Amino acid sequence: QKEVEQDPGPLSVPEGAIVSLNCTYSNSAFQYFMWYRQYSRKGPELLMYTYSSGNKEDGRFTAQVDKSSKYISLFIRDSQPSDSATYLCAPYFSGGYNKLIFGAGTRLAVHP
Amino acid sequence: SQTIHQWPATLVQPVGSPLSLECTVEGTSNPNLYWYRQAAGRGLQLLFYSVGIGQISSEVPQNLSASRPQDRQFILSSKKLLLSDSGFYLCAWSVLPASGGVNTEAFFGQGTRLTVV
Repeated sequence: QKEVEQDPGPLSVPEGAIVSLNCTYSNSAFQYFMWYRQYSRKGPELLMYTYSSGNKEDGRFTAQVDKSSKYISLFIRDSQPSDSATYLCAPYFSGGYNKLIFGAGTRLAVHP
Repeated sequence: SQTIHQWPATLVQPVGSPLSLECTVEGTSNPNLYWYRQAAGRGLQLLFYSVGIGQISSEVPQNLSASRPQDRQFILSSKKLLLSDSGFYLCAWSVLPASGGVNTEAFFGQGTRLTVV
């Protein structure tokens, strides 16, 4: 079983739509849940992260974690064409564990 | 400020030829260093990571190897490339948070697009 699973898409939505991106993970030791955004032909950049269960909001973006079901989500409100990118989830736990793993990434296209 | 340099940006190599990709980080000490490969439809695959000079952890058995000859230098190599080695290779660095910190962020280079022909 992979440590993190993510539907690669592609996902195509009209401008203004609400987008839901999801990942599941298998290791209950994960504490931090990060979302990276990757534009075409570029390296990924950290978008936001949450710690443990709950929600975190940053502008039009909301990250949500449900540790009981090992399910993490990223919601994008009022999506814009500039949001078109690949979104990768990256669960992590500290305590001397230095490996950073990523989901497969979901390719999102927001069309005008 | 910290920067990461990765080169070359693109590379076309014949099957069976050797490979050497280099990554250097500036502005930080003792970073964790990572090599990832991103193939179409397969996501970001961790190949190697290093927590210090000469310390390399391999995640995927393959014909690639990595070395860290200096604190801020990470090299990905192959003696003989295969067609399946084609992909987008990304180097990244991170540091563990200071005491009381809660997160570690990975900073990526611009990547090398390798095509093996």
